[in-house]
Amino acid sequence: QVQLQESGPGLVKPSQTLSLTCTVSGGSISSGGYYWSWIRQHPGKGLEWIGYIYYSGSTYYNPSLKSRVTISVDTSKNQFSLKLSSVTAADTAVYYCARRTQLWLGGGVDYWGQGTLVTVSS
Amino acid sequence: EIVLTQSPGTLSLSPGERATLSCRASQSINSSYLAWYQQKPGQAPRLLIYGASSRATGIPDRFSGSGSGTDFTLTISRLEPEDFAVYYCQQYGSSPGTFGQGTKVEIK
Repeated sequence: QVQLQESGPGLVKPSQTLSLTCTVSGGSISSGGYYWSWIRQHPGKGLEWIGYIYYSGSTYYNPSLKSRVTISVDTSKNQFSLKLSSVTAADTAVYYCARRTQLWLGGGVDYWGQGTLVTVSS
Repeated sequence: EIVLTQSPGTLSLSPGERATLSCRASQSINSSYLAWYQQKPGQAPRLLIYGASSRATGIPDRFSGSGSGTDFTLTISRLEPEDFAVYYCQQYGSSPGTFGQGTKVEIK
């Protein structure tokens, strides 16, 4: 059973960089077929795709956030990470790490972390 | 970017009743690359349906998905108490993958 767990500060000051790490257990990030993803949910709102990374390092970012987002992977630690720069109060949200399957495997997001609330406030 | 519009916003039903949720896309979705998720308060979403009509592992057969092109439907044949939740559709045929705004299924 694959499990994902987010970790990182729950409070970030405006203009600083939000940094989160997702640790994957029960499966290897290096196994093909999956995009390791970050998705966020503003309080009481819907879901927004931030971006994803393949184990090889290739990435995709949502154009609306692309200028501020970096996603990286550390296969030796079975982890992937999110950095979001120049944050404002509008970035306050629950951040999920998740596994999206490639299209030939169905394409859905089949495993999610529990989510971590990140608040941007001074 | 493909915009997904879900209706209704809230569905008030009793246990045992049938629920029909709609998801309409602003343009045709490639190869029915559409998924449905269930989310309960304080929990992460759970994948129910992918490819518009394929049930994910462990999902009961009272959940079914249908549709193609721009119009998709999630049907819950007989609501169980644990089915009252928010449901989201998501398209992943065109980047960025986008989600609908959700339909809340509440107890009447």
